[in-house]
Amino acid sequence: GAVVSQHPSRVICKSGTSVKIECRSLDFQATTMFWYRQFPKQSLMLMATSNEGSKATYEQGVEKDKFLINHASLTLSTLTVTSAHPEDSSFYICSAGADTEAFFGQGTRLTVV
Amino acid sequence: SQQGEEDPQALSIQEGENATMNCSYKTSINNLQWYRQNSGRGLVHLILIRSNEREKHSGRLRVTLDTSKKSSSLLITASRAADTASYFCATAVNNAGNMLTFGGGTRLMVKP
Repeated sequence: GAVVSQHPSRVICKSGTSVKIECRSLDFQATTMFWYRQFPKQSLMLMATSNEGSKATYEQGVEKDKFLINHASLTLSTLTVTSAHPEDSSFYICSAGADTEAFFGQGTRLTVV
Repeated sequence: SQQGEEDPQALSIQEGENATMNCSYKTSINNLQWYRQNSGRGLVHLILIRSNEREKHSGRLRVTLDTSKKSSSLLITASRAADTASYFCATAVNNAGNMLTFGGGTRLMVKP
């Protein structure tokens, strides 16, 4: 199957700083990528749809100014958590569409201290 | 928002037993997928069943789909301790079939 690489796998940052997470499709081009968030012992919730060359589409309740998404190329989408706070600590995972299937990155564990 | 509900939320069985997890969803779908997630790790894709399919097998996994009831089940036969993980169903709600909405998940523990 197709490979999606997400980096970093773990990051610890101080409250008030920003963190960038990268999601790359390694062997295919993805015009659309998706970002999910998972709190401990909960399911994955879709945050936003990242569209190559255009603005991301955010799900209800997700602050677009806090979670900046950039999809500048067909193989890379980035999620920047701006002015991070402890409540932003979570597992963030991306997926990229290939044909009719979604392929997931390994996820990023963000801890804000 | 979550589309699917899964039950049970938690399941504990002995090695060798079968484990059945159920998933219900609300809207029309293109496909339904099952994923496994080990604690704190990424998702492992298990199986995809399309809306025009009723049953699918992959090794020890058997998935059924009933679109009239908007439900699916995942059966793991002859379970192993290594099957201990959380299992999620996910439905694709866009035309491309790659925008997923996840169920609440079932935490499976298989005791050796």
